[in-house]
Amino acid sequence: GAVVSQHPSWVICKSGTSVKIECRSLDFQATTMFWYRQFPKQSLMLMATSNEGSKATYEQGVEKDKFLINHASLTLSTLTVTSAHPEDSSFYICSARVLGQGRGNGYTFGSGTRLTVV
Amino acid sequence: GEDVEQSLFLSVREGDSSVINCTYTDSSSTYLYWYKQEPGAGLQLLTYIFSNMDMKQDQRLTVLLNKKDKHLSLRIADTQTGDSAIYFCAENVGISGGYNKLIFGAGTRLAVHP
Repeated sequence: GAVVSQHPSWVICKSGTSVKIECRSLDFQATTMFWYRQFPKQSLMLMATSNEGSKATYEQGVEKDKFLINHASLTLSTLTVTSAHPEDSSFYICSARVLGQGRGNGYTFGSGTRLTVV
Repeated sequence: GEDVEQSLFLSVREGDSSVINCTYTDSSSTYLYWYKQEPGAGLQLLTYIFSNMDMKQDQRLTVLLNKKDKHLSLRIADTQTGDSAIYFCAENVGISGGYNKLIFGAGTRLAVHP
C-alpha cells in the first residue's frame, strides 16, 4: 500500500531555531499533502493543504510565515517551523492524497514528528 | 459549518463489544472514516463508509451510518487489549478548487481491561 515516510520522528531544538520536517511518498505520487498539528490528548488540527507546485493554503489562524510549507515535487513535502518557541511544541503529522485512488482509502498518514522546543 | 463530535473515553472488558459514536455536521460529506492512533504514532485507517451505505462490516469492525441524524458508529466485536488506542472519526469535506480535506473529531480513548 501507499506509504508516507515522515522524518524526523522526534526532535528537540532550542528556542529561536528553525526545524524542518519532511514527508516523502515512497511508492506513489502525492498530489496533495496535508499538514496537521496535534496537542496532547486532542484531535488533529489541519494547518495547511499544499498541492504540488502551488502555494500552500493555510487554515485560519495559522501563521504562514512561521510554518513554511514546500511541496516542490509529487514525492516530497516539507514543513519548516521557523524561529520555534516552546508553544510550538507539538506532534506534527502529514497526510498525503494518493493520486489515482478514491477518497475512501486515498489518504495515507505519516508516523508523526514530536517537536519539543526548549 | 464543519464539526465532528465524539465521546472522549470508553472503557470495556476484554472480549466484550465496544461501540464508539460520532456525529458530524456536513451533510454533503461523501465519505466518513474511522482511524486508529496508538501512542506516539500516526493514524491508521481502520475503515471507511460511503455516504450511500447504511452499514459496512469488515471482520471485527462494523460501521453504521445514519445520514438523517448525521450519526456514525464503530462497533468492535470481541475487543482485545491490542485494541486499546484512540479512535478518530473523520468526515471528508469539499474545499475550494475541487479538493477535499478531512475534519477530525476529538478522538475516543478506548481502554480495554481484563
